[in-house]
Amino acid sequence: AQSVSQHNHHVILSEAASLELGCNYSYGGTVNLFWYVQYPGQHLQLLLKYFSGDPLVKGIKGFEAEFIKSKFSFNLRKPSVQWSDTAEYFCAVLDQTGANNLFFGTGTRLTVIP
Amino acid sequence: SAVISQKPSRDICQRGTSLTIQCQVDSQVTMMFWYRQQPGQSLTLIATANQGSEATYESGFVIDKFPISRPNLTFSTLTVSNMSPEDSSIYLCIAKMGAEQFFGPGTRLTVL
Repeated sequence: AQSVSQHNHHVILSEAASLELGCNYSYGGTVNLFWYVQYPGQHLQLLLKYFSGDPLVKGIKGFEAEFIKSKFSFNLRKPSVQWSDTAEYFCAVLDQTGANNLFFGTGTRLTVIP
Repeated sequence: SAVISQKPSRDICQRGTSLTIQCQVDSQVTMMFWYRQQPGQSLTLIATANQGSEATYESGFVIDKFPISRPNLTFSTLTVSNMSPEDSSIYLCIAKMGAEQFFGPGTRLTVL
């Protein structure tokens, strides 16, 4: 079965700092990769996704992620965070040849200090 | 795309009772899933709702505790049976259409 690791449980940054959240997955086959964000009191929203093609994916709100197949990684980045980016971020993997359901990481809580 | 609604959006229930959560999709989808998000934790798959047949449960989840129905391609229900405070969680319906995943708004359940 798939597993997804997010090693940063809680990240605290000042506004304008750069962000990188790690995500590693276990499966070596063809996967679809996702980052979701959950703002306080709200439900999950899709930030960006990778299916194929250019491994550098740009999403909403200035976020981007890079798929590095050799490292089984899909790290999320943003050059300059804002207070409104305070949220929980979840990495998820869809195994295209398996059960077709999403496997989620444990999440990373981001706190941005004004 | 698909829009998913869930009912109820939240509920507070007494220990030992059961609650049925409904998930309605505005278009036909190939697959529907039920997830749980316990406080401070990530999303865990409970089961895949199969149309016209028994749901496929993940390890640690059983049909007696979480019976699921899926009578057609747009609707599914999840029942949380004989609830205890440990069942307090957000229950989330996710639908798959092609390669895309669509999320319901979730049902926030508190068990006293």
